[in-house]
Amino acid sequence: QQQVKQSPQSLIVQKGGISIINCAYENTAFDYFPWYQQFPGKGPALLIAIRPDVSEKKEGRFTISFNKSAKQFSLHIMDSQPGDSATYFCAASNDYKLSFGAGTTVTVRA
Amino acid sequence: DTEVTQTPKHLVMGMTNKKSLKCEQHMGHRAMYWYKQKAKKPPELMFVYSYEKLSINESVPSRFSPECPNSSLLNLHLHALQPEDSALYLCASSQVQGAQPQHFGDGTRLSIL
Repeated sequence: QQQVKQSPQSLIVQKGGISIINCAYENTAFDYFPWYQQFPGKGPALLIAIRPDVSEKKEGRFTISFNKSAKQFSLHIMDSQPGDSATYFCAASNDYKLSFGAGTTVTVRA
Repeated sequence: DTEVTQTPKHLVMGMTNKKSLKCEQHMGHRAMYWYKQKAKKPPELMFVYSYEKLSINESVPSRFSPECPNSSLLNLHLHALQPEDSALYLCASSQVQGAQPQHFGDGTRLSIL
């Protein structure tokens, strides 16, 4: 049973555009919500993370929006660049285990 | 460059071979993890080590045998693997079990002939 649902499966955005990836969860015990970025042939790298006491967190061009009541969180990539082309995984955790979403492949066209 | 180093980067082995994957971290982390990742899928947890002791085994077949010789090293011994075991094997670490974030290595790409 997938505990974190991620959408879309893939998206294409023009350089300079905004990429938006959404995730939803059911387990209200989750207290840590990271986003990982993975390039082909590489391992997942932590991009940004949030805890449920905060509704938004921004780091450079990357922003997490968190809606605790709706049990949803999203990643916004502003001013998307070709170097952002990668697979993005959302995840949720309340202990040692990370429950990952299915992943979103982002392609940024120059 | 990641702070979790995995070797080898690629490994091809037959179903009767015995091989080992290695992982090393020098961040002083006391929890280390093995994950399996199939193409276009998210990582799946296999094992968790806490203070060099096996803490969690996610019902992994016995042909996978983990070992933690010391706080910086983690091995995964492989024997009699099946073609469906071909995947990217990722190592990760965190300060202690349950602490976040987990830091991943770049993995070993394993192919079973």
